Amino acid sequence: QKEVEQNSGPLSVPEGAIASLNCTYSDRGSQSFFWYRQYSGKSPELIMFIYSNGDKEDGRFTAQLNKASQYVSLLIRDSQPSDSATYLCAVITGGSYIPTFGRGTSLIVHP
Amino acid sequence: GAGVSQSPRYKVAKRGQDVALRCDPISGHVSLFWYQQALGQGPEFLTYFQNEAQLDKSGLPSDRFFAERPEGSVSTLKIQRTQQEDSAVYLCASSSTTGTQPQHFGDGTRLSIL
Repeated sequence: QKEVEQNSGPLSVPEGAIASLNCTYSDRGSQSFFWYRQYSGKSPELIMFIYSNGDKEDGRFTAQLNKASQYVSLLIRDSQPSDSATYLCAVITGGSYIPTFGRGTSLIVHP
Repeated sequence: GAGVSQSPRYKVAKRGQDVALRCDPISGHVSLFWYQQALGQGPEFLTYFQNEAQLDKSGLPSDRFFAERPEGSVSTLKIQRTQQEDSAVYLCASSSTTGTQPQHFGDGTRLSIL
């Protein structure tokens, strides 16, 4: 079982809706959590990072971390067609510099 | 340039040939990572440099893979005697410090082995 799990999707939402992307991880020692957006044929682009339990908001994006339940989520409010991409979750365990990536969730925002 | 630069963007090689992939990180970035990304998968870690020191190469799939960063800036990933299973996108990322700082990725090199 992969250490970082994401539903591969695709997740399809209408324009203007909230898209909710989820990621679970197996190592309780994980301390740093990142969300990257990757358009087809392009490199991953950092969207959010979160280190502490709770919510972190940046514009239309909110990252939610629950260490007790070992999941991290990304909410995208007012979804736009330009948000259509693959969203990668990455996790770093305490004492390591090496992130482990999930396989990514494909998001499709349709007009 | 402002971002991480990788070259070539595309590389086609015949099985058994050697290839070299280049990464030019953001100026001043201490940490440099190489990843391999297969279609439909997330990036898989290959190796990590802190300045010129290769601190972790546990992700290199075989001894045909070799990476270096001799002056602590530009890095080269070399694959010897390429095999078809080496076909993938090779991503380079850098970060400004050590530790768990967010990484900035290059656009990758798409390697196809015929």
